[in-house]
Amino acid sequence: GENVEQHPSTLSVQEGDSAVIKCTYSDSASNYFPWYKQELGKGPQLIIDIRSNVGEKKDQRIAVTLNKTAKHFSLHITETQPEDSAVYFCAASIGGYSTLTFGKGTMLLVSP
Amino acid sequence: GAGVSQSPSNKVTEKGKDVELRCDPISGHTALYWYRQSLGQGLEFLIYFQGNSAPDKSGLPSDRFSAERTGGSVSTLTIQRTQQEDSAVYLCASSLSGTDEKLFFGSGTQLSVL
Repeated sequence: GENVEQHPSTLSVQEGDSAVIKCTYSDSASNYFPWYKQELGKGPQLIIDIRSNVGEKKDQRIAVTLNKTAKHFSLHITETQPEDSAVYFCAASIGGYSTLTFGKGTMLLVSP
Repeated sequence: GAGVSQSPSNKVTEKGKDVELRCDPISGHTALYWYRQSLGQGLEFLIYFQGNSAPDKSGLPSDRFSAERTGGSVSTLTIQRTQQEDSAVYLCASSLSGTDEKLFFGSGTQLSVL
C-alpha cells in the first residue's frame, strides 16, 4: 500500500519567514495530494490540495508543488504569522474511491 | 448540521470496559470515515462507510473494534475490552460522496484507557 513520509517533524520560524514542509510517497498511482492543518483541540482542516496533472497551486500565502517523477510534494507558507502555528499533515491517494494515507505531521511554531 | 459532530469529546475508561464513540456527519454527506490519531503517529485509517455499508474495514486493528452506520447518517465506533494501547484521539470525517476526496473532520474523541 501507499506510504507517505513527512519532514520535518517540527519546524520553528520567526514571524514573516517562509516555511517549507516536504512529503514523499511510494505509490506512483497516487494522483491526489491534500494538505490539512490541525489546530490544538480541533480536527484537521483541508487548506490546499493538488492533483497530479498540475505542478503547482497557490492560494494567497500558501502554495503546494508536486514532482511526480521524484514522487514528492511540498507545502510552502510565506510571510508566516503566529496563527499559522499548528500541525500540518500531508496525504496521498489514488483518487476515485480511495482512502487517504497521511504523513505523521509537522508541528509548525511561528514566533512573534 | 454545520459540521461533523463527535461525542463524547473526552472519554476516560478502565481497561477491559467497552466504549462507544459517536459521529454525526455533515447532512447530505454519504461517505464517512473513522481515523485514529496517536501521539506522533499521524492519522491511521480505521474504516470507511458509503451509505450504511462498509466497503473498507481494512484498518480496524483487531476484532475488538467494530463500527456501524444506520440510516446513512450517524455512525458508532465500538471498542470492546479496551486496552491501554487503545488510548488515542478518534477522528471522524465525512465527504459528499465516496469519490469526493475532500474530507471534513470532527474535533475527535480523546479516549484514555486507565
